[in-house]
Amino acid sequence: NAGVTQTPKFQVLKTGQSMTLQCAQDMNHNSMYWYRQDPGMGLRLIYYSASEGTTDKGEVPNGYNVSRLNKREFSLRLESAAPSQTSVYFCASRSRQGAKNIQYFGAGTRLSVL
Amino acid sequence: AQSVTQPDIHITVSEGASLELRCNYSYGATPYLFWYVQSPGQGLQLLLKYFSGDTLVQGIKGFEAEFKRSQSSFNLRKPSVHWSDAAEYFCAVDDYKLSFGAGTTVTVRA
Repeated sequence: NAGVTQTPKFQVLKTGQSMTLQCAQDMNHNSMYWYRQDPGMGLRLIYYSASEGTTDKGEVPNGYNVSRLNKREFSLRLESAAPSQTSVYFCASRSRQGAKNIQYFGAGTRLSVL
Repeated sequence: AQSVTQPDIHITVSEGASLELRCNYSYGATPYLFWYVQSPGQGLQLLLKYFSGDTLVQGIKGFEAEFKRSQSSFNLRKPSVHWSDAAEYFCAVDDYKLSFGAGTTVTVRA
């Protein structure tokens, strides 16, 4: 029972490089989310996908793009990485958009941009 | 807009002692509230949730939380802390997305 799987677990980039963070869930959930976690700031929403085929900006979308590839997969892309994007990134999913549905989190991707 | 405040950045508690973590929220309607725990290097695990009804909710690992509308609070408690409770704890309020507090780091001393 994998739940939410994120790859890679760790990544080091140089400024200006691009990369894609992958997320997949096997719970048949409709809604998926990308957060970043920075010390003293909790988790902040970058983008979300309420259902397959839709994506929306969250609190801190600048510098990121997302793709909801299918119901299972939701990727986060950094086109030109900056040191300010050094963070821990979490993907989450829940059965559907709506506050009474619990979000389940992946183990995170730790990204350093030099 | 909804927001969550966790006033305590870091708490140190002795093993076997009680623990209380504070959470205050700002939300116009009936709040849906959560506590998550994050062990070092791990993802977030749900401890408990409040949607409606009984204001004292029980969670996993012996944790409980009390919703107090008059104080806009949702404090987390545990009567007797174990060394394995050392972690970071996040309070969150849910609308179409989760809004998290900044977190409280708990250190357990022997």
